[in-house]
Amino acid sequence: DGGITQSPKYLFRKEGQNVTLSCEQNLNHDAMYWYRQDPGQGLRLIYYSQIVNDFQKGDIAEGYSVSREKKESFPLTVTSAQKNPTAFYLCASLSGGLANEKLFFGSGTQLSVL
Amino acid sequence: AQTVTQSQPEMSVQEAETVTLSCTYDTSESDYYLFWYKQPPSRQMILVIRQEAYKQQNATENRFSVNFQKAAKSFSLKISDSQLGDAAMYFCAYRSGVDSNYQLIWGAGTKLIIKP
Repeated sequence: DGGITQSPKYLFRKEGQNVTLSCEQNLNHDAMYWYRQDPGQGLRLIYYSQIVNDFQKGDIAEGYSVSREKKESFPLTVTSAQKNPTAFYLCASLSGGLANEKLFFGSGTQLSVL
Repeated sequence: AQTVTQSQPEMSVQEAETVTLSCTYDTSESDYYLFWYKQPPSRQMILVIRQEAYKQQNATENRFSVNFQKAAKSFSLKISDSQLGDAAMYFCAYRSGVDSNYQLIWGAGTKLIIKP
């Protein structure tokens, strides 16, 4: 089945630690996105990538980093500089042309601070 | 800057009844797209319906339809014949028609409860 796989489902971070969230897609999509979801708020864009080896900051990129070395993979690192990392993180990829664009989402990673 | 507002944090409806979720947005653009996404307990976001601003006809997808009022900047979602599987968070989202990076602006969501 084609889709987006995020791992792990739950992740715990100790203070001062960097952690990496995995996002893999087998949909052959060029564009991929990372969103943060906090309770009572809409999704906020962290980073996005429209093509391999290129990525752009979203609205809340501080304290996060990404890489896009392969089309299928778009890992997100939550660095120690992110002081409030507890949130639900969603990865997505984009299909279709201008008239038929559709975001496909993974099942998310819940990150908590120990 | 564009904003999306969902004023109903929670709604409940009896199974088989109809419910309407509200969404308003603010923009100075004339070309844009609007979306409703569903987030069930599995937490995976699923596209429910989309509306192009240049289309006057309201979008429909089976039991889901929208009431798009462009002048009022309103984009409500109507769910007919509500089913237990419709219980979820529903998010309204906006995308500029001139944005080539496909950046969505999201509302805070409405939790829909279905009463059996």
